[in-house]
Amino acid sequence: GIQVEQSPPDLILQEGANSTLRCNFSDSVNNLQWFHQNPWGQLINLFYIPSGTKQNGRLSATTVATERYSLLYISSSQTTDSGVYFCAVGVNQAGTALIFGKGTTLSVSS
Amino acid sequence: NAGVTQTPKFRILKIGQSMTLQCAQDMNHNYMYWYRQDPGMGLKLIYYSVGAGITDKGEVPNGYNVSRSTTEDFPLRLELAAPSQTSVYFCASRDRPGEQYFGPGTRLTVT
Repeated sequence: GIQVEQSPPDLILQEGANSTLRCNFSDSVNNLQWFHQNPWGQLINLFYIPSGTKQNGRLSATTVATERYSLLYISSSQTTDSGVYFCAVGVNQAGTALIFGKGTTLSVSS
Repeated sequence: NAGVTQTPKFRILKIGQSMTLQCAQDMNHNYMYWYRQDPGMGLKLIYYSVGAGITDKGEVPNGYNVSRSTTEDFPLRLELAAPSQTSVYFCASRDRPGEQYFGPGTRLTVT
């Protein structure tokens, strides 16, 4: 089946720093989403981005479907950005259920 | 819209007990999913449904059953709970095409 790899696995930042998280996937996808899982375990939708570029405030994402990767940019990080960031992809099987990577754990300190 | 709701939020079961995790969505989505998340891992698909009356297995279905009698509800049944089923369970739904929306999760401990 399709493989989803996220890097780096862990990231430690000072408040105000910028970061880039990467998601590589091994096959063509119909769907790609980025999530933030906060310290309380809640999954927050960040982007639905099977291709192209989107921005939402300090966060932006780019997916290059032909090269099978996606990037999540976090600018001017804040302590509330801490948590785990998941990339998940959907393929044309199992009702396009999402296949998750193992996540990037981000810690932002003040 | 309430979105995707799950009950209960937390539950402790003894080995061998059974329970049903409830999931409901008010967005009229045809597609619904159950995932489990083990510590330090991403989510894995247990079961999914593409519409009322239609369900199918995902990657980790053993020990679980589902039903989908209405568009809104997609309950997950655990029979004969085992410690390996200790996990956080997430329900999700989506329209076609589109992003998946997740519920708040149910944290289950089997002791």
